[in-house]
Amino acid sequence: SQQGEEDPQALSIQEGENATMNCSYKTSINNLQWYRQNSGRGLVHLILIRSNEREKHSGRLRVTLDTSKKSSSLLITASRAADTASYFCATDAGSNYQLIWGAGTKLIIKP
Amino acid sequence: KAGVTQTPRYLIKTRGQQVTLSCSPISGHRSVSWYQQTPGQGLQFLFEYFSETQRNKGNFPGRFSGRQFSNSRSEMNVSTLELGDSALYLCASSPYGDTDTQYFGPGTRLTVL
Repeated sequence: SQQGEEDPQALSIQEGENATMNCSYKTSINNLQWYRQNSGRGLVHLILIRSNEREKHSGRLRVTLDTSKKSSSLLITASRAADTASYFCATDAGSNYQLIWGAGTKLIIKP
Repeated sequence: KAGVTQTPRYLIKTRGQQVTLSCSPISGHRSVSWYQQTPGQGLQFLFEYFSETQRNKGNFPGRFSGRQFSNSRSEMNVSTLELGDSALYLCASSPYGDTDTQYFGPGTRLTVL
């Protein structure tokens, strides 16, 4: 079962623009993580935010977490062609060593 | 350190056959988790092993099984393959099973004809 939903399902922007993706989840969580996947390959961990944190930065990435709304957003600034990928949020709800995944947002960066 | 490796990377089988996929974790990691990714269902948790013991299992039929060896390498087996088993199978390793220290392999793409 999937924990939450991501929106939009697909996003197409011009290189250099910012991209924002949102993730909603259903239960209380310990942490929320964002991953990138290129063309059906392996998952690359981008950033983790814990339930007691509200915002986190890593390079061009900014993640926010609103536990009252059970939602998170991922902002990628100054997008590049190499950012073209699918982005997934995953939550750890403390349920025994597993992550529960959102459906993903497919991001296309147009040159 | 070498990353998580999965073999084979691609596999084609026919309905009714069985298949075994292998995952070698990062050196020193004792936990291996398996996930199935399909276009329709997304990413779903299969099972997690730690020190040769299955600690958690997702909601999959008994045709899906796994094991872990003393060197932490893990295998998963799917018997009596169905068309719907076509998927990308991903494994992830971590030192103790904490999801915040988890690293994913490149996946095995299974196609069932």
